[in-house]
Amino acid sequence: DGGITQSPKYLFRKEGQNVTLSCEQNLNHDAMYWYRQDPGQGLRLIYYSQIVNDFQKGDIAEGYSVSREKKESFPLTVTSAQKNPTAFYLCASQPRGHQVNTEAFFGQGTRLTVV
Amino acid sequence: DQQVKQNSPSLSVQEGRISILNCDYTNSMFDYFLWYKKYPAEGPTFLISISSIKDKNEDGRFTVFLNKSAKHLSLHIVPSQPGDSAVYFCAARTSGGSNYKLTFGKGTLLTVNP
Repeated sequence: DGGITQSPKYLFRKEGQNVTLSCEQNLNHDAMYWYRQDPGQGLRLIYYSQIVNDFQKGDIAEGYSVSREKKESFPLTVTSAQKNPTAFYLCASQPRGHQVNTEAFFGQGTRLTVV
Repeated sequence: DQQVKQNSPSLSVQEGRISILNCDYTNSMFDYFLWYKKYPAEGPTFLISISSIKDKNEDGRFTVFLNKSAKHLSLHIVPSQPGDSAVYFCAARTSGGSNYKLTFGKGTLLTVNP
């Protein structure tokens, strides 16, 4: 059945290492998003992509990178330049089109802990 | 600058009573508003939405009210149930153009006591 899948659910990395979080969707959605959740901070937008081979920085893009080579996939790399990488990361997707009011669908999240 | 504000970090209500969660926004270009429910260590799930051309949308126990002049919306849950205990996020976006990104508030933790 259709959905959006994030893997792994828990991830541990040593400080200074890059790590890539996976996000795959089979909903045929054009738009995909990465958010970060910290306690008391809500959901903050890291990067988003409206179409394959195109993406834009969100509000807190520093220290992160993304790619969108396939419609189904939008991986997020947390680089060593990200000062506070420990957080809960959420991927979302939604249809894109004029006059379309639909909701974004979220994956189950990845808890990244950097030690 | 926080464009979507949920000023109450937490709310506690008794089972069977009404829960009212509030949300304010500052960007007058927002024209579509959503509420999401989130349990710990899970992704948010969509609850209900409202377009700016309406002032009310109802779905079962959940009703969202929009006051455009005040840039305020609220989510009413009647009657509240213990399973409603979760963090509720208000989100907003502009529907025009090519940018459909959602801007979220910081969330309100709702606790429904049996």
